[in-house]
Amino acid sequence: AQSVTQPDIHITVSEGASLELRCNYSYGATPYLFWYVQSPGQGLQLLLKYFSGDTLVQGIKGFEAEFKRSQSSFNLRKPSVHWSDAAEYFCAVGAGNRDDKIIFGKGTRLHILP
Amino acid sequence: NAGVMQNPRHLVRRRGQEARLRCSPMKGHSHVYWYRQLPEEGLKFMVYLQKENIIDESGMPKERFSAEFPKEGPSILRIQQVVRGDSAAYFCASSRQGSSYNEQFFGPGTRLTVL
Repeated sequence: AQSVTQPDIHITVSEGASLELRCNYSYGATPYLFWYVQSPGQGLQLLLKYFSGDTLVQGIKGFEAEFKRSQSSFNLRKPSVHWSDAAEYFCAVGAGNRDDKIIFGKGTRLHILP
Repeated sequence: NAGVMQNPRHLVRRRGQEARLRCSPMKGHSHVYWYRQLPEEGLKFMVYLQKENIIDESGMPKERFSAEFPKEGPSILRIQQVVRGDSAAYFCASSRQGSSYNEQFFGPGTRLTVL
């Protein structure tokens, strides 16, 4: 069965600084990987996903993530954060089989300093 | 296109009462997933349904919880005889087809408070 670890519960960065949120997964085959963002009181919105091909994936809102099989990682990055990026970020993994479900990490809450 | 709709957005129940949470998937979506989110926790998968079928209920508590997705109408998550520990945000997601290959679109959630 697949699993996801997000080692950082909280991350604080200054507005304009770069960001990297860590995600490690466990799955025997090539996983399907996702990053979602949740603003306070809202549902989840998909930022980006990786299924196959280019290991550097571009998403919405200026985010990107890189799949590194050797490190079982799928870290999320943004070169310059905005105050509106303050939210909770969830990494998720799926096996891609029919009737498969997605497993979510516990999330990383991002705080932005002015 | 309307997104995934959930109602009510907030629900308050006293211990022992029943809670009914509704989820209307996006148009054209026949797969529904329910998740529970507790403070400081991620989303925990509860159940995956297709129209009139429960595909995977491995995340559902054995007692008091049930889910359905009838041929007509929204999906319902029912919690009987609620307890304080049921207080959480419950999210519904829908997809056009099954498997994690297909993007799940999330509703805004129902926040259940048990007094």
